[in-house]
Amino acid sequence: ETGVTQTPRHLVMGMTNKKSLKCEQHLGHNAMYWYKQSAKKPLELMFVYSLEERVENNSVPSRFSPECPNSSHLFLHLHTLQPEDSALYLCASSQARRGGEQYFGPGTRLTVT
Amino acid sequence: RKEVEQDPGPFNVPEGATVAFNCTYSNSASQSFFWYRQDCRKEPKLLMSVYSSGNEDGRFTAQLNRASQYISLLIRDSKLSDSATYLCVVNIGNFNKFYFGSGTKLNVKP
Repeated sequence: ETGVTQTPRHLVMGMTNKKSLKCEQHLGHNAMYWYKQSAKKPLELMFVYSLEERVENNSVPSRFSPECPNSSHLFLHLHTLQPEDSALYLCASSQARRGGEQYFGPGTRLTVT
Repeated sequence: RKEVEQDPGPFNVPEGATVAFNCTYSNSASQSFFWYRQDCRKEPKLLMSVYSSGNEDGRFTAQLNRASQYISLLIRDSKLSDSATYLCVVNIGNFNKFYFGSGTKLNVKP
């Protein structure tokens, strides 16, 4: 499989549930990103990992917990979410050099009930 | 002030029209520039990188004006399938410093 894949594509969860989003990139990149896109809003950067180390955390609430076990995989662990967390969660990867373009996965559409 | 600003549109144009979008950026240290296309409820997809000398890919032409700090995208002979939101993206010379515009919506009508 090529490119960036994400699972699940759709997720409905209650506020007390715990779930995880998974991202895998097959591009040989060494930087991975989580973005949130709410309806009619621009992309919001959540986390950046390079070589499995988190290098950016954009003031994201602790109910979102990222994990990067290796340069190909990225997880976003979710717990006790709020309805306003409902959004499209996008994973991206790039080569961690100056200016390398990002490639996005298809996203997980999350609904919190 | 936002790092990247775009006119949200929508731009409503007939098939076959030529349409141009501009995007301004605030940081003069910006190194790399891109246009992405995002269809409704889908992920952004890289349309083209923008080089200092300008570049063309079929019906699409991208230009960079460093002095005025803007980039442009020109679409010639618009197709119905060009209807989407076009995102301007700027990188400040570091892999963790990508800034996205809020997008310009294009509707191409028959």
